[in-house]
Amino acid sequence: QKEVEQNSGPLSVPEGAIASLNCTYSDRGSQSFFWYRQYSGKSPELIMFIYSNGDKEDGRFTAQLNKASQYVSLLIRDSQPSDSATYLCAVAGANNLFFGTGTRLTVIP
Amino acid sequence: GAVVSQHPSRVICKSGTSVKIECRSLDFQATTMFWYRQFPKKSLMLMATSNEGSKATYEQGVEKDKFLINHASLTLSTLTVTSAHPEDSSFYICSARLGSADTQYFGPGTRLTVL
Repeated sequence: QKEVEQNSGPLSVPEGAIASLNCTYSDRGSQSFFWYRQYSGKSPELIMFIYSNGDKEDGRFTAQLNKASQYVSLLIRDSQPSDSATYLCAVAGANNLFFGTGTRLTVIP
Repeated sequence: GAVVSQHPSRVICKSGTSVKIECRSLDFQATTMFWYRQFPKKSLMLMATSNEGSKATYEQGVEKDKFLINHASLTLSTLTVTSAHPEDSSFYICSARLGSADTQYFGPGTRLTVL
């Protein structure tokens, strides 16, 4: 069973700041990593996926992967109140995704 | 692309009745679909993996006779909650995998309330 760990938060940042969300995983052989955003009462929405070590940028979002240290992070630049949500880290297994418990982010106007 | 729909979005039923939830991949074929359950302020819990044309694989602790899953086509999977009880009240979410990639796309979810 793969383990995916996230700080449950809540993480509060002021509007315009950088929010940093972290995730560690136990299986060194994991290859695919995902970040989902889930608003309260809604289903998860894919933000980004990353397969290779290093950074991957998409707009205000940057995913960072370090396989040697077994962590993956998500940076949100210029945070907006609309970014307030729970962010789920997921790691691919053989047949499905293993999800962390999520980090609740609040962006304060 | 990669849109997944669910129907109904919300259902209220009496204890002892059965409820069917449909999950459709609208613009792609999904060999594999997944069913999750999420209680308020709790994390996603995988219930079962549904493969087109074969029996679903259930996670430990999930009763296969209570949660019937059918994946009869590459775009449709159904979850039937049989003889529902108040403790089955939850947010049920399906997802579909695009091809052989690991990425899962989620439906909007179905909120089930059993009275």
